[in-house]
This record gives sequence, C-alpha cells and structure tokens, in this order.
Amino acid sequence: TQLLEQSPQFLSIQEGENLTVYCNSSSVFSSLQWYRQEPGEGPVLLVTVVTGGEVKKLKRLTFQFGDARKDSSLHITAAQPGDTGLYLCAGPSGYALNFGKGTSLLVTP
Amino acid sequence: EAQVTQNPRYLITVTGKKLTVTCSQNMNHEYMSWYRQDPGLGLRQIYYSMNVEVTDKGDVPEGYKVSRKEKRNFPLILESPSPNQTSLYFCASSLTQVKNTEAFFGQGTRLTVV
Repeated sequence: TQLLEQSPQFLSIQEGENLTVYCNSSSVFSSLQWYRQEPGEGPVLLVTVVTGGEVKKLKRLTFQFGDARKDSSLHITAAQPGDTGLYLCAGPSGYALNFGKGTSLLVTP
Repeated sequence: EAQVTQNPRYLITVTGKKLTVTCSQNMNHEYMSWYRQDPGLGLRQIYYSMNVEVTDKGDVPEGYKVSRKEKRNFPLILESPSPNQTSLYFCASSLTQVKNTEAFFGQGTRLTVV
C-alpha cells in the first residue's frame, strides 16, 4: 500500500481567506485524485491530475501535481462557507484506490 | 439519475448477529468496492470486485465477505459482527479499474455493533 500523507489535518479560516492543503508521498503515482466529502455524504471527485507539473483549475480551486508525481496541492482562493468539508487525496495502488486521511476545512462567515 | 445506493443508512446490531449491507449501482460499472472510514484512520478498502464473480481482498478484509453475482449489486456481509467493526461504510463503483477513472460513492452506512 502506497501511503498518502495530508496536511494540515484541520484548518479553520474565515470567509475570504486563501489556503493551501498538501498531499505527499514517498512513492511515485501515475495519477492523483482530489475528492471532497461533506458531512453525511460520500466523497465526490473534484479533479484528476495525471502529468507531472500539471495545474488544473476548478473555479476558485487550483490543483497542482508535483513534477516528480509524488505530491499534490490544492489551493483555494477567497474561501467561502460552501467550501467547508473534508478534502481527500487518492492515488491508485494496484487495483485499489488509496486515500489520505484528509484535511478537514471549516470556513466561517 | 446515476447513483450508488446503499442500505440501510443506519444500523445498530448486537455482537454475532449476521448482517448484510446492500449496494447497488445503475451505471453499468464493472468495478465496485467497499471502504470503511474511521476517525484518525481515513478510508480503507475492505474488498473490491473487477467484474461479476471476480472479487479480491483490500487492506482490511478480516471479518467481512462479499459476493458479485450481478453486475449492479455488491453486498457486504458480516457473518459475526464485533464491536471493532463499528464504523462508517461506503460502497463505490467506477467504470473500470483503469487508474484515472472516477469513483462514485454511496451515501454511507453507519454501523454500530454493541
């Protein structure tokens, strides 16, 4: 099993602030995915990054895959209360999808 | 509407009483899997299935069984539940086991074993 370490574990910020969360591994991944999970729901895919150095944008969310394909980051600009949730990174390992433990984000008005 | 449906959403049971959590998907996906989510441990894969009649163990298979007799259904069976199986369970499906495929998750089943 290839481990994915996410940081920070918890993050509490005010509306309008910017933030970055990280997903790191000692292993090379062929791709990484980011999911968001809201309370009482299952995770929902936000993005898949495949190429080293790749940057993808989804409205105010910017995702980057490290050049060596061992790490990824998620940057949120001008966070809103609707961004509150658990952010999970995931990478393939054999026939499984391994998840990091997640970053729990709380955005207060 | 494309979805993965789990039942029940909540279940409280006693140690040793066999139970089944059902999972059904309507997207004709080949790949299905079960995860458990625990505080501090994250999502861990229990079992997965690459197609009908093809199943294999994930990271934490002990105490669980699965079957895949039809493409759309992938039930999780606890033959003799124990308190350490108290957890939040998720079923997921994806088109294939190809690495970049999106996984669709059910809404979860919160199981308490007393």
